[in-house]
Amino acid sequence: EVQLVESGGNLVQPGKSLRLSCEGSGFNFKYYPMHWVRQAPGKGLEWVSGISWNSGSTVYADSVKGRFTISRDNAKNSVYLQMNSLRPEDTAFYYCAKGDSGDYVPFDNWGQGTLVTVSS
Amino acid sequence: EIVLTQSPGTLSLSPGERATLSCRASQSIWNTHLAWYQHKPGQAPRLLIYGTSNRATGISDRFSGSGSGTDFTLTINRLEPEDFAVYYCQHYGSSIFTFGPGTKVDFK
Repeated sequence: EVQLVESGGNLVQPGKSLRLSCEGSGFNFKYYPMHWVRQAPGKGLEWVSGISWNSGSTVYADSVKGRFTISRDNAKNSVYLQMNSLRPEDTAFYYCAKGDSGDYVPFDNWGQGTLVTVSS
Repeated sequence: EIVLTQSPGTLSLSPGERATLSCRASQSIWNTHLAWYQHKPGQAPRLLIYGTSNRATGISDRFSGSGSGTDFTLTINRLEPEDFAVYYCQHYGSSIFTFGPGTKVDFK
């Protein structure tokens, strides 16, 4: 069974940094693209960032470009989201999602999410 | 950048009825790059349909997808209590993975 478990969510002040982690199990992690998706309170899903299986390609939503960095460690079956210069509008549940195999693919498994609150 | 709009915003129905959800793209997209997800409060989102009309693993055949070009539809036949949730369409045919704003299916 595929499992994705996020961690690292917390209350943080505006302008500060936070690093989210997501550990995958039940599948061969190193072969699949991974993504972060968020949901702000009362809002819909917003794709944040994605990374290819070998870290050769990383992509970002305009709303986080230049502030967030996605990375992965295939030896640890983990993907990370380094979030810098956090803003109140970054407050959301952050979900880790596994891409299906291939280039342009849907997200076939998701974690339960971790809550990030940006507030003074 | 492709923008997805979904209608209606909320669909109020009773168990046993059929739900028809619409997703419209701002420009024509490949059928192979349109997905639907179900999301319930406090749970992980779940992939229902990919490639416009292909059901994901373990998804009931009460769920079906159709469409082409700019107009896509998710149909849920014979609504069951566990189907009341928010549904999102997604375009994954570029380096930007766009979600629609969602349609909430709730109890009438």
